[in-house]
Amino acid sequence: DSGVTQTPKHLITATGQRVTLRCSPRSGDLSVYWYQQSLDQGLQFLIQYYNGEERAKGNILERFSAQQFPDLHSELNLSSLELGDSALYFCASSPQDGYGYTFGSGTRLTVV
Amino acid sequence: AQSVTQLGSHVSVSEGALVLLRCNYSSSVPPYLFWYVQYPNQGLQLLLKYTTGATLVKGINGFEAEFKKSETSFHLTKPSAHMSDAAEYFCAVTISGSARQLTFGSGTQLTVLP
Repeated sequence: DSGVTQTPKHLITATGQRVTLRCSPRSGDLSVYWYQQSLDQGLQFLIQYYNGEERAKGNILERFSAQQFPDLHSELNLSSLELGDSALYFCASSPQDGYGYTFGSGTRLTVV
Repeated sequence: AQSVTQLGSHVSVSEGALVLLRCNYSSSVPPYLFWYVQYPNQGLQLLLKYTTGATLVKGINGFEAEFKKSETSFHLTKPSAHMSDAAEYFCAVTISGSARQLTFGSGTQLTVLP
């Protein structure tokens, strides 16, 4: 157990639908990162939050959004889902000044 | 912008043989470099990292990597492979600053043969 908790582990949904992925960071970690892992794109950085505020944005689609709540857990919202959104979505967390994250075990999203 | 190239998407070694996984990076400023391992159906686990200081970095499970600025490389090695080392390995780079997002290589699948 890495200490980063992601739910759900698996999610199957239809095209056009909206889903929410949840991440609880390690105790004490203020930064949360979201990554997408797919066969064709590899591991892609989506977005980072630090203590509730958006810190950096990567290759995140406009249909996707995220937020970090006061208790530091984060949610990634994916809407108008397409078949190509099927992927593993990882959350990671790090301390304030730390380099090198701790990853969660991921949410496998399948869009049918 | 920084980038990472992992040479060899698949590497096979015999149990007990040397493991060498290659990683070259591109960065306009001094990089911070990482190796992660991913076992099937699991998340990524940090093996080791280089930020500053000693260029030979030792990690978990007997792995080590050497930062060579002149060669822009950060190859991962292990003297003797174990069956349990079979996994996918990712090299990643970031640069100092307020954000810490990693740029990952495409990964190398390591197979250990009995």
